[in-house]
Order: sequence, then C-alpha cells, then structure tokens
Amino acid sequence: DTAVSQTPKYLVTQMGNDKSIKCEQNLGHDTMYWYKQDSKKFLKIMFSYNNKELIINETVPNRFSPKSPDKAHLNLHINSLELGDSAVYFCASSSDGSSGSFDEQFFGPGTRLTVL
Amino acid sequence: AQSVSQHNHHVILSEAASLELGCNYSYGGTVNLFWYVQYPGQHLQLLLKYFSGDPLVKGIKGFEAEFIKSKFSFNLRKPSVQWSDTAEYFCAVNAPSGTYKYIFGTGTRLKVLA
Repeated sequence: DTAVSQTPKYLVTQMGNDKSIKCEQNLGHDTMYWYKQDSKKFLKIMFSYNNKELIINETVPNRFSPKSPDKAHLNLHINSLELGDSAVYFCASSSDGSSGSFDEQFFGPGTRLTVL
Repeated sequence: AQSVSQHNHHVILSEAASLELGCNYSYGGTVNLFWYVQYPGQHLQLLLKYFSGDPLVKGIKGFEAEFIKSKFSFNLRKPSVQWSDTAEYFCAVNAPSGTYKYIFGTGTRLKVLA
C-alpha cells in the first residue's frame, strides 16, 4: 500500500497555464508538506498544514496556493506557470507538528513539473 | 534563523571505503535531527533520526550518526560503503522551540565506484 501518493508523476505544460498536483496520505498523519526540489537537488519547504490548518507558509509566490480538504489530502495549485517553476515537487507527511516538533517525514514519489 | 550546512557536496568513494558526511546546524536550543537518503529517481526516505538519549544513533543499512551538541554537528558514517549506497544524502533539523520549520541541508551526492 502506498503511504504517500502524488498525481500526476510527470507534468509538462506551457508557460501561463494553471495546473494542480494532488497528494494523499493513508498514514493517519496530522501534518502534510509541500517541498520544491530544484535541478541542484536543493530541497525547500513551501507549505505545511496541520489538521487542515496552514502552519508554514514560506516565501512562495502567490501563484502557488495549497488546499487541504481534509487532513489526508494536500493539493497544490499553481497559476500562471513560469519557466522557473520547473522542478520536482514532493509531498510529505508526518505525525503531529502542532507543537513545533515534527517526527520523520514520509515522502511521496514526486511530481516532475516541466514548464515550456 | 535556523540553517543546516552540509560541507561535502560531492563525494566519490570506492566500495569498502569508509564514509563520513558532515552536517552542522545553527540553532542553540533543542533540536530533532534526521538523515534522509534519496536514491536515483526515487523519493526521500529516512535513514536515522535523533531526538534525545544516546548521541550515537544507528539507522538502516549499516548507517550511524553521532550528535555532538558542543559542535552543533550530526555527522553520518558508514564503515564500509557499497555500490548501492550511491545516492543523495540530506541532513534535516527541526527545532521544536524555535519556528515550525523543518530545514534540510543542501545535500551530499555520494557516488560509490564498484
């Protein structure tokens, strides 16, 4: 059984388009994350939700908007895609992070976004 | 602000060589420390973690790490690497009494020659 799943695995699109990436975890975790990994493998946190509440919102363009319909899902919507958005986006989840203490993160397989 | 430094960006070793990857963090309070591995084309997975207790932590696949509080370090070691250890290794820090952030280092790319 897949613990953290993401769809799609690959996403190729034109500049200016709007796209969404979906993430689901079946681990019963309270906290979910979105990370961006650039071509140099640098991993940067973008957002984190704890029980559907946004708790981390890094300096990310407003074009990126996370949505958490329930604590098992955290989707990422990107408006007006730009070339610099090309990267691998990883979803992750962990047990309780509400007090600031996060345990091991379980990562999804990643979504490779290519903006042409 | 918290930061995590991994000074070795690329490491090339022959099989059976010993490995030590450095990780230093900049936060004076209590920290939770992690090492993750990312095999080519795959997602990150946990190698080991330290929350408290014995500063020498053993993880999967023969890896271990030592937390040295006075040096703000959490170096990863393996006495004898294998070709299958070729991967990207990330150190990560979470400071519970600081911000909610979970900070990753820039990663170390390890290549093991058969």
